[in-house]
Amino acid sequence: EIVMTQSPATLSVSPGEGATLSCRASQSIGINLAWYQQKPGQAPRLLMYAASTRATGIPDRFSGSGSGTEFTLTISSLKPEDFVVYYCQQYNNWPPEDTFGQGTKLEFK
Amino acid sequence: QIQLVQSGTEVKKPGASVKVSCKASGYSLNRYGISWVRQAPGQGLEWVGWISGYNRNTNYAQKVKGRVTITIEVSTNTAYMELRSLKFEDTAVYFCARDARSYGSGSHTWLDPWGQGTLVTVSS
Repeated sequence: EIVMTQSPATLSVSPGEGATLSCRASQSIGINLAWYQQKPGQAPRLLMYAASTRATGIPDRFSGSGSGTEFTLTISSLKPEDFVVYYCQQYNNWPPEDTFGQGTKLEFK
Repeated sequence: QIQLVQSGTEVKKPGASVKVSCKASGYSLNRYGISWVRQAPGQGLEWVGWISGYNRNTNYAQKVKGRVTITIEVSTNTAYMELRSLKFEDTAVYFCARDARSYGSGSHTWLDPWGQGTLVTVSS
């Protein structure tokens, strides 16, 4: 099983600042990585796929990078609605055996 | 508009079975894979399993293998996840989610869209 490790678990930042979230895979997954945003009581929402491609409707404040085992989600100029939980997911295996990171929660500093 | 609408809240006793539905609209289930993902209270996301829309091939997480079955009913464009021999630790919100792209029977991609989630509570 590919283990996905996100860091930090919680990130304290202020609105208007930037945030960098990390995700590490236990083995190479190429660019088969997605990022999701989850607000309380809601289903996850796709932010990024193929490591660095923004999903439809996602503002360019969100950017993704990385390949292999190291990935980053960067959010610039944080807005109040951004202070929720973010998950990375690898979809590299065949047959499918996806795994998610444990999540990073953005909280107000 | 592509949408996945799931069935409602379930409360089951340990050892029982639950079957959660996921009705697709705006596209045909025949062309895309469907994954099931669960989230225990206050916890992260856990992948449960996947079914191919093309050939109904499935794969399941080791943790639930042998207790879970994912199926597709073409006539109603609905996917199902059945979990048997329920344990307290199966208490979670269960989400269905579609492969965002379809590249044929041998493909699996990121997940979009997602259903709204179904709370399954296992309680004696």
